[in-house]
Amino acid sequence: AQSVTQLGSHVSVSEGALVLLRCNYSSSVPPYLFWYVQYPNQGLQLLLKYTTGATLVKGINGFEAEFKKSETSFHLTKPSAHMSDAAEYFCAVSDRAGGTSYGKLTFGQGTILTVHP
Amino acid sequence: KAGVTQTPRYLIKTRGQQVTLSCSPISGHRSVSWYQQTPGQGLQFLFEYFSETQRNKGNFPGRFSGRQFSNSRSEMNVSTLELGDSALYLCASSTGLAGGLETQYFGPGTRLLVL
Repeated sequence: AQSVTQLGSHVSVSEGALVLLRCNYSSSVPPYLFWYVQYPNQGLQLLLKYTTGATLVKGINGFEAEFKKSETSFHLTKPSAHMSDAAEYFCAVSDRAGGTSYGKLTFGQGTILTVHP
Repeated sequence: KAGVTQTPRYLIKTRGQQVTLSCSPISGHRSVSWYQQTPGQGLQFLFEYFSETQRNKGNFPGRFSGRQFSNSRSEMNVSTLELGDSALYLCASSTGLAGGLETQYFGPGTRLLVL
């Protein structure tokens, strides 16, 4: 079974500083990889995803993530944090094929990002 | 295009009751997935429906059930509510045609409190 580990349940940065949110997956076959963001009292919004091709993926709001197969990682970064980035971030994976791939995302436990002025 | 809508947004029930939650997907989307979000267990997949058929399900007891209608709207039902069922229930829609690589678009959720 797949699993996703997000290192650090809380990350705090200053406005303008680098944001780095860590995600590692455990799967015998590299899955599809996603990052979602959740603002208070809202659903989840897709930031970016990796399916195939270039391992550095650019998403919305200046975020990007790099798929590293050798490290089974998909860390999320943003060069300069903004106050509006404060939210909870979820890394998620889905199977590449088969019945278990239908509509099922497996999520990490989430990382709450706090941005200080 | 309108997004995914969920009704009601908030719900209070007592133990032993049952509850029905509704989800309307993005127009043209035929797949609806349901998730439970709690502080302790995080986000967990309940089940997925496509063209009125359940294609995938997670590890939840039979008290949790769902269905999908011909217009792709979906409902989930929880019978014999327990305190531990208090959670944010999220639904997500997608076309359902591209397997695991598809983007799922989430609704705002229904927050259920069981007393």
